[in-house]
Amino acid sequence: KNEVEQSPQNLTAQEGEFITINCSYSVGISALHWLQQHPGGGIVSLFMLSSGKKKHGRLIATINIQEKHSSLHITASHPRDSAVYICADANSGGSNYKLTFGKGTLLTVNP
Amino acid sequence: DGGITQSPKYLFRKEGQNVTLSCEQNLNHDAMYWYRQDPGQGLRLIYYSQIVNDFQKGDIAEGYSVSREKKESFPLTVTSAQKNPTAFYLCASSIWLAGPYNEQFFGPGTRLTVL
Repeated sequence: KNEVEQSPQNLTAQEGEFITINCSYSVGISALHWLQQHPGGGIVSLFMLSSGKKKHGRLIATINIQEKHSSLHITASHPRDSAVYICADANSGGSNYKLTFGKGTLLTVNP
Repeated sequence: DGGITQSPKYLFRKEGQNVTLSCEQNLNHDAMYWYRQDPGQGLRLIYYSQIVNDFQKGDIAEGYSVSREKKESFPLTVTSAQKNPTAFYLCASSIWLAGPYNEQFFGPGTRLTVL
């Protein structure tokens, strides 16, 4: 059974700090998704990656296929980054790909 | 504006009643999904649909039913058979189902509370 584990579960930071959220998965994946859930509940997709590193603004996502591990980094964190960050892996369930989600990391950035 | 809408945002129902959650998208996506989110747990897939008039059970389909009569709409009915219906329900859509890079677009969610 595929499992996706995130750490830490909760993270509190001061504005400007460098943030790292970790994600480990148990089964080989086709792609790893990082998602952001705002306090109101809406979810947006941040990254999809299967190797190396991707960068978008202050957000960086990396993945190590051999170690089955991915990290999401936020540089120069800001209070507006406060949200739940969720990783999910896309695995083939026959002919279709389904997402298995981690439980999320609640990030609070204080001014 | 293209997107996914869910209604209502908050829903209260009495135990033993069926209730239907609405999900509409104008993104012209073929695939649509329903997820359930509980505190301390990851999103779990209830049902998904690849095309009109076709849908498949996800990991936790018991006590739920869906229909897909139109490409834009994928309503979810929470029946009285669902033992623990109180949860946050999210609808999503993607261009197609197959492929690991199909980005899913999520609606704002409906919070269902059973009284």
